[in-house]
Amino acid sequence: AQKVTQAQTEISVVEKEDVTLDCVYETRDTTYYLFWYKQPPSGELVFLIRRNSFDEQNEISGRYSWNFQKSTSSFNFTITASQVVDSAVYFCALSEPYNTDKLIFGTGTRLQVFP
Amino acid sequence: DARVTQTPRHKVTEMGQEVTMRCQPILGHNTVFWYRQTMMQGLELLAYFRNRAPLDDSGMPKDRFSAEMPDATLATLKIQPSEPRDSAVYFCASGPSGTSGRASETQYFGPGTRLLVL
Repeated sequence: AQKVTQAQTEISVVEKEDVTLDCVYETRDTTYYLFWYKQPPSGELVFLIRRNSFDEQNEISGRYSWNFQKSTSSFNFTITASQVVDSAVYFCALSEPYNTDKLIFGTGTRLQVFP
Repeated sequence: DARVTQTPRHKVTEMGQEVTMRCQPILGHNTVFWYRQTMMQGLELLAYFRNRAPLDDSGMPKDRFSAEMPDATLATLKIQPSEPRDSAVYFCASGPSGTSGRASETQYFGPGTRLLVL
């Protein structure tokens, strides 16, 4: 069965701190996608990244970086030098494109960045 | 900057009333999804369409919910009659078909419709 676990319910940091959001997934498929979405206080869901199961290269985009490790079934997200605007709920999600279009979401991690 | 649009953004209604939510997917995206977000259940898929044909509506309460795509630029989600437990944020998302020709790859979400049923 597919499952995404985000064990951290809420994280609080002070601006400029680095913070890592954890994501652990379960799937029986060898082909799958992993995603991170951001939900700011305004409520919309903003796509951040998609990672294919065959591509284990880590990715960096500005202050954001993602660490994909198949050996531990994890897809962690790090924000470097956090800013107040990073305050949001962050969702990790999984899809199995050869079975279904359905996205399986984790329960989300609420990040609060204080000035 | 192409986006999924949803109307209305907010809706307050009384129990028993019909509610219709509309979604305009990103032009060229052939897969459209309806999700519901609540504190208790999180984000859950209600239904989705590819090329306007319903593919999966197993997440939707059939007795009161219906989803349609009258054309490629409009998806609707109706609740009739509405109940207080339907209060939630309803998201529409769209995505292009994947390179595999099967499931869509990235899903892009609209701003959501915040529904409150009194």
